[in-house]
Amino acid sequence: EVQLLESGGGLIQPGGSLRLSCAASGFTFSSYAMTWVRQGPGKGLEWVSAISGSGDDTYYADSVKGRFTISRDNSKNTLSLQMNSLRAEDTAVYYCAKEPYPQVAIVRWFDPWGQGTLVTVSS
Amino acid sequence: SYELTQPPSVSVSPGQPASITCSGDKLGDKYACWYQQRPGQSPVLVIYQDNKRPSGIPERFSGSNSGNTATLTISGTQAMDEADYYCQAWDSSTVVFGGGTKLTVL
Repeated sequence: EVQLLESGGGLIQPGGSLRLSCAASGFTFSSYAMTWVRQGPGKGLEWVSAISGSGDDTYYADSVKGRFTISRDNSKNTLSLQMNSLRAEDTAVYYCAKEPYPQVAIVRWFDPWGQGTLVTVSS
Repeated sequence: SYELTQPPSVSVSPGQPASITCSGDKLGDKYACWYQQRPGQSPVLVIYQDNKRPSGIPERFSGSNSGNTATLTISGTQAMDEADYYCQAWDSSTVVFGGGTKLTVL
């Protein structure tokens, strides 16, 4: 069974940094691209970032470009999201999800999703 | 930037069909997928590549995509289908989600 387990969320002051992790199991981690999606309180889904299976290619939403860095350690089956210069509008539940192919392709969907980790940016 | 528009809410009686639309410019030229999110839970993929169902998703869920509109249809809607539904597509190297539709089963 494919499982994704996020961790690392918490309360952080504006301008601070936080690193999220996603532990993957039940599939050959390096064979699939992975993605982060967030959901603000009472709001809809917003795609944040994606990374290819090899880790060579990364993609970011304009809202986080230059502040967030996605990475992966295929030897540890772990996906990470380094978040710097955090803002109040970054407050959200952050989900990691598995993509269907090794590369970030034109045809994309996310399945499954982890349970999410809450990031709250507030002073 | 590309946008996907969904109705904020749809109501349906138990046993009746429910349709949720997702509109975007030339959406039919792209692939759409749909997620179900029950309160307090993570999203679950219910339709991918316009009309394919992942394993474990009931047959009452179906999808279509043509022109500017993708549609999620639930035939014989059940109380357990009450949830938020989000469409998603891909455009210009970025993923776009619709704003979500709250399906109420009255």
